[in-house]
Amino acid sequence: DVKVTQSSRYLVKRTGEKVFLECVQDMDHENMFWYRQDPGLGLRLIYFSYDVKMKEKGDIPEGYSVSREKKERFSLILESASTNQTSMYLCASGSPYEQYFGPGTRLTVT
Amino acid sequence: SQKIEQNSEALNIQEGKTATLTCNYTNYSPAYLQWYRQDPGRGPVFLLLIRENEKEKRKERLKVTFDTTLKQSLFHITASQPADSATYLCAGDTAGNNRKLIWGLGTSLAVNP
Repeated sequence: DVKVTQSSRYLVKRTGEKVFLECVQDMDHENMFWYRQDPGLGLRLIYFSYDVKMKEKGDIPEGYSVSREKKERFSLILESASTNQTSMYLCASGSPYEQYFGPGTRLTVT
Repeated sequence: SQKIEQNSEALNIQEGKTATLTCNYTNYSPAYLQWYRQDPGRGPVFLLLIRENEKEKRKERLKVTFDTTLKQSLFHITASQPADSATYLCAGDTAGNNRKLIWGLGTSLAVNP
């Protein structure tokens, strides 16, 4: 079974802090994705990566950056957390034809 | 802009009946559509993919159709069970960038015993 793990299920950070969310997949997938999910707005793509050190902006990249130094690991970085970044963050890996999601990180920025 | 739209109203049905969920696409023609199941507080789980040249696809109690004339996909769960209660998401590929998906907001299904 494909496994996608995320570093934390719940996280509480203060405004202005730098936040790292990590995602690891064990299926040797080239593509990895970071989404955020908010009520009424659905899943929105922040960034994705199609190879090591390769990345592409999604629909809402502002305030975020990513890092992919190894194929299995894709990190999302909030450079200076703000309250409007309070959300559920979901990592996925796979192909465009089938994505496997992690359990999600519920981030609260106070 | 390219859109995937799902019925925002929750669907409540009786156990044993067939649940039918709708996914409409506008302003583009996806090459394929996908359906995912999402339980509260969890990540979506892939269920089925149907391509534009396929009329229908089945997997156990699930059936998906793709109607390019109506610009619509229907997702059916036959002999529904309370365990089928979840939110179901529809997603389509993005014209011009086949690595990205466009997601609907999902339809909540409640199957009552």
